Amino acid sequence: NAGVTQTPKFRVLKTGQSMTLLCAQDMNHEYMYWYRQDPGMGLRLIHYSVGEGTTAKGEVPDGYNVSRLKKQNFLLGLESAAPSQTSVYFCASSYLASSYNEQFFGPGTRLTVL
Amino acid sequence: KQEVTQIPAALSVPEGENLVLNCSFTDSAIYNLQWFRQDPGKGLTSLLLIQSSQREQTSGRLNASLDKSSGRSTLYIAASQPGDSATYLCAVRGNSGGSNYKLTFGKGTLLTVNP
Repeated sequence: NAGVTQTPKFRVLKTGQSMTLLCAQDMNHEYMYWYRQDPGMGLRLIHYSVGEGTTAKGEVPDGYNVSRLKKQNFLLGLESAAPSQTSVYFCASSYLASSYNEQFFGPGTRLTVL
Repeated sequence: KQEVTQIPAALSVPEGENLVLNCSFTDSAIYNLQWFRQDPGKGLTSLLLIQSSQREQTSGRLNASLDKSSGRSTLYIAASQPGDSATYLCAVRGNSGGSNYKLTFGKGTLLTVNP
């Protein structure tokens, strides 16, 4: 049971390049989330998904797209990277919305955009 | 809009001391509150989750309390150890409208326990 995994762990991009971050979970969780963490800003929700084939915007969705084609995977895409997207990206997952709904986090992807 | 504040931003204590980390939130309409630990360069590890109907949760040397009506939670760490050094994050899950499965995070308290 690997929990939540993220690939890649590190990446350096040039402005304007594109890339996809992959999140996978083996806990059969319905909900998945993408957050970014920046110094002094805390963690902020980018996009989330409440089930296979669904996506929704979080607090800071601009410049990102997501897809949830399979229940266990949640992809975060940057179509044209900007220096403002330099950050650490975390994926999380949880069971159906209930009063418990504990979120489990992946190890993060550190992205630098030059 | 929910806002979560953690005080202090940083705390340094000698080994063996008991300590309290504070978390406050502006909207009391929450499902639960979760405390996390984050080591430098690492992901988040869930420590404790308190449901809105609960007053406290305990795990080993950790005890978290919740006063929903006043919008406050505390994380008590007993007999601190150098291995407790990390950033501690508080997050609340709202229960109104579209916020009922999203976490709002505080900015964290950086704890250093000195040997």
